[in-house]
Amino acid sequence: QSGLTQPPSASGSPGQSVTISCTGTSSDVGRHTHVSWYQQRPGKAPKLIIYEVNKRPSGVSDRFSGSKSGNTASLTVSGLQIDDEADYYCSSHGGSGVFGGGTKLTVL
Amino acid sequence: EVQLVESGGGLAQPEGSLRLSCATSGFSFNNYWLKWVRQAPGKGLEWVADINKDGSETYYVDSVKGRFIISKDSSTSSLYLQMNSLRVEDTAVYYCVRDWGWNTFDNWGHGTLVTVSS
Repeated sequence: QSGLTQPPSASGSPGQSVTISCTGTSSDVGRHTHVSWYQQRPGKAPKLIIYEVNKRPSGVSDRFSGSKSGNTASLTVSGLQIDDEADYYCSSHGGSGVFGGGTKLTVL
Repeated sequence: EVQLVESGGGLAQPEGSLRLSCATSGFSFNNYWLKWVRQAPGKGLEWVADINKDGSETYYVDSVKGRFIISKDSSTSSLYLQMNSLRVEDTAVYYCVRDWGWNTFDNWGHGTLVTVSS
């Protein structure tokens, strides 16, 4: 049982924006700025796309953005593309669960 | 270029053993925590084990404590996971992961599949 809660699924049409939430507690997401997000395409290893709540590693599209309010972190994907269809996982320092349960993003 | 390449996966019987290896290159091996993360078929990511920079500290998820051992060899820049008393529920793809710091996993291997079945 993960300590970080994500919705199991999210969807949007090409060009739209979609936001995925990651709810933790005051011991993890609420306490730390070290919240990260990972994209995992089918059959591939996860890839870091957001770290420290809202920073992007070199090479990651600026269509991906992160934010945090209280115990909930969010990943927003803007200008949805077919290629964004993947599973997305959050992670936070602290707490008992290292990863959220994952959210399957479908681009309709 | 940072590289992590896992090997050693395969089919094992319940109560059997396997040893996973992860060959690393492209970074200062002793400057990072390293981890094993697994993913059961159709399921999410699960952290399995940690080892600190100098190998003096290790941590495990409760379900593998007493059965799995994480270790590292700085002379070959390699990470290992000795898996004993394997269970069917240990079936998963096992990833070798570099922790940039504070549970930020910036580099992942391609994974190696472990199947536990009779």
